[in-house]
Amino acid sequence: GNSVTQMEGPVTLSEEAFLTINCTYTATGYPSLFWYVQYPGEGLQLLLKATKADDKGSNKGFEATYRKETTSFHLEKGSVQVSDSAVYFCALSYTGANSKLTFGKGITLSVRP
Amino acid sequence: DTAVSQTPKYLVTQMGNDKSIKCEQNLGHDTMYWYKQDSKKFLKIMFSYNNKELIINETVPNRFSPKSPDKAHLNLHINSLELGDSAVYFCASSQTSGNTIYFGEGSWLTVV
Repeated sequence: GNSVTQMEGPVTLSEEAFLTINCTYTATGYPSLFWYVQYPGEGLQLLLKATKADDKGSNKGFEATYRKETTSFHLEKGSVQVSDSAVYFCALSYTGANSKLTFGKGITLSVRP
Repeated sequence: DTAVSQTPKYLVTQMGNDKSIKCEQNLGHDTMYWYKQDSKKFLKIMFSYNNKELIINETVPNRFSPKSPDKAHLNLHINSLELGDSAVYFCASSQTSGNTIYFGEGSWLTVV
């Protein structure tokens, strides 16, 4: 079956540090890949997505590139802010009536001032 | 305007009670979902409906019964609540031809 593996957390960084959160997947064919973010006490928000190999998704200074050869979709940000403190989820899905998101376990990011 | 809205946001109830969570989407999507987030933040799909038809039904106790009166609504009814049902329940929607799933703000259920 399909699966998503995220690096173990939690992660604590100082403000303005560089962020990388690793995500790899196991899937057949060509799924779409996503990063969702959950701020404390809030729901899930789509952060960015990529739908085919070599696509780069970007939003709010975050970026991730769909790497088919390494089955990865690592999330990066050049300079994190305190307001980026949240739980980050990597996920995959396919188009169609049977579509569903398969999530990684999520990783908690805390950014210190 | 909230795209996917669910009510109530918070619910505290006693074991054995029956409760419902309602969900509505105004995105014009044809597919709706219920996901459960456990205490470790792990997210897992429970159900999906496409055009009011049940498509995905993961291994969920039959105390959980979804109902979709129309494409814009998907409600979740839970009978005989147990302590282990305490979780955050997320409603979501998407379009069959698309690949992005949009989530509501979640319903925090606590069973005491």
